[in-house]
Amino acid sequence: DQQVKQNSPSLSVQEGRISILNCDYTNSMFDYFLWYKKYPAEGPTFLISISSIKDKNEDGRFTVFLNKSAKHLSLHIVPSQPGDSAVYFCAASGYTGNQFYFGTGTSLTVIP
Amino acid sequence: EAGVTQFPSHSVIEKGQTVTLRCDPISGHDNLYWYRRVMGKEIKFLLHFVKESKQDESGMPNNRFLAERTGGTYSTLKVQPAELEDSGVYFCASSQTRGSGANVLTFGAGSRLTVL
Repeated sequence: DQQVKQNSPSLSVQEGRISILNCDYTNSMFDYFLWYKKYPAEGPTFLISISSIKDKNEDGRFTVFLNKSAKHLSLHIVPSQPGDSAVYFCAASGYTGNQFYFGTGTSLTVIP
Repeated sequence: EAGVTQFPSHSVIEKGQTVTLRCDPISGHDNLYWYRRVMGKEIKFLLHFVKESKQDESGMPNNRFLAERTGGTYSTLKVQPAELEDSGVYFCASSQTRGSGANVLTFGAGSRLTVL
């Protein structure tokens, strides 16, 4: 039973435009949400996180929004660059932060 | 600083054989995790070590899987005997013990296991 869902397996965006990746979760007890980025043949690398007490966190071109009432978070990338093409995983954990629940990933392609 | 290192990068074995995967975490990281991704599915938690102790092994599929972390350094994950459904990419990750904030895991490149 998946607790974190990414319903869009893939997304294509023109270079310079905004990429929006979505993630839904079922467990209202999750305290931390993270986004990881994964290139082929590499492990996931940490991108950005947000705690459940916030609704927005920004780091350069990357912004994560959290809507707790809807149990939904999204990652915005502005402007999108070809190097952003990768698989993006949403992950959530409880307070201890030791067991993460990951989504199935969204493959982003940024078209030059 | 060296990252998380996993070996082998790819292993192809026949059903019933044994495979041992190894993970070297970042030096000084007390927390070590094993995750697995079956093709197209989510990355699933297997277990968590704090130093040499198993903190949480609730994600281990069954008793054909055995994980160890001798001396709190590197870790091994043995699958014996391997079954077809064990195929996937096994990721190791490590992290420091955190004071506050999100626990950010550093992942290795993964060990791809193919069971024929």
